Amino acid sequence: GDSVTQMEGPVTLSEEAFLTINCTYTATGYPSLFWYVQYPGEGLQLLLKATKADDKGSNKGFEATYRKETTSFHLEKGSVQVSDSAVYFCALKWKGSARQLTFGSGTQLTVLP
Amino acid sequence: NAGVTQTPKFQVLKTGQSMTLQCAQDMNHEYMSWYRQDPGMGLRLIHYSVGAGITDQGEVPNGYNVSRSTTEDFPLRLLSAAPSQTSVYFCASSPGLAEQYNEQFFGPGTRLTVL
Repeated sequence: GDSVTQMEGPVTLSEEAFLTINCTYTATGYPSLFWYVQYPGEGLQLLLKATKADDKGSNKGFEATYRKETTSFHLEKGSVQVSDSAVYFCALKWKGSARQLTFGSGTQLTVLP
Repeated sequence: NAGVTQTPKFQVLKTGQSMTLQCAQDMNHEYMSWYRQDPGMGLRLIHYSVGAGITDQGEVPNGYNVSRSTTEDFPLRLLSAAPSQTSVYFCASSPGLAEQYNEQFFGPGTRLTVL
């Protein structure tokens, strides 16, 4: 079945450091891919998405590119801020599927001042 | 527009007790779902609904019931709570299943502890 694998956390960075959180998926076909973010004490929010191969999703300085050849959707940011401290989830969804999202296990990011 | 609301925010139950987690949305979304979040396991789908009167099982449905009598409400019922149901529960909604409705909107969650 479908699955999403994220890099193990937690990840701790200093402010202004470069961030990469790896995400790979296993699926037969080409699902839509997402990154969701969960700030402390809150529900999940959509951060960015890509619906087809080579698409790049971007938001709030974060970027991720849908790579079908490596079945990956790695999240990157050039300069993290303390306010980026959160849990990040990679997820996939089949277009038109009623079962909606399959999530990775999440990666805790802490950014120190 | 309150979005997706969940009550209660916190709940402690004893083994064998039953309770209902409430979820409501005011965005007229057709699709609603319940997830549980456990450490190291991401979110797992419990039940979902594609419209009023229609529900189906997700990945981990055992021990939970749902109903969808209105578009707005999608309560999750624990029939006989067990310690394995200790988790954080999230309700989510989206306008529909078409590709342009990719985004799901999540509630703030209910943290449940079963002793």
